[in-house]
Amino acid sequence: DVKVTQSSRYLVKRTGEKVFLECVQDMDHENMFWYRQDPGLGLRLIYFSYDVKMKEKGDIPEGYSVSREKKERFSLILESASTNQTSMYLCASSSTGNSWKLFFGSGTQLSVL
Amino acid sequence: QKEVEQDPGPLSVPEGAIVSLNCTYSNSAFQYFMWYRQYSRKGPELLMYTYSSGNKEDGRFTAQVDKSSKYISLFIRDSQPSDSATYLCAMKRDTGGFKTIFGAGTRLFVKA
Repeated sequence: DVKVTQSSRYLVKRTGEKVFLECVQDMDHENMFWYRQDPGLGLRLIYFSYDVKMKEKGDIPEGYSVSREKKERFSLILESASTNQTSMYLCASSSTGNSWKLFFGSGTQLSVL
Repeated sequence: QKEVEQDPGPLSVPEGAIVSLNCTYSNSAFQYFMWYRQYSRKGPELLMYTYSSGNKEDGRFTAQVDKSSKYISLFIRDSQPSDSATYLCAMKRDTGGFKTIFGAGTRLFVKA
């Protein structure tokens, strides 16, 4: 069974902390994505990566950075967490041949207090 | 104006009803049209996809795309309580880029 695994289901952090969200896929996909999901706003793309060490900004990259050192792993970093970053974070992957077909992890619900 | 508009609901129907979920969009370059289903506390999973215009049927689900009106629909026949979930429409251009644009999602409740 193909999988996208996010390291934490729930996280509670304090304002100003550095936060790492990890995502691993086992499908040998080239493309990986980080979205955040907020009520009424749907899924908004933060960053994506189409190859190891390659990254592109999405629609809302401010306050976030990413790292992709290995093909299967894509990390989202909140340099200094703020309360407006409280959200559900979803990682996804896709192959280049079927880039329209996204496979999602179960999400990380992050609360910043 | 958002590129993709979707009524967030909630939509509540009795078991066995026909459900119609809809999205409108503004970018005529979209060629891939997807519907994802998201259960509570889970990530979205692909339910249906259509390339360009037309209809596609899979069991109780039918996806329709009308590019002339920039309007897509998902129909669920004989709805079941297990269909209760959030349904997200999503769209992507054929060439150039990796971005998929999502609607806000419609929350559906099917009552037994």
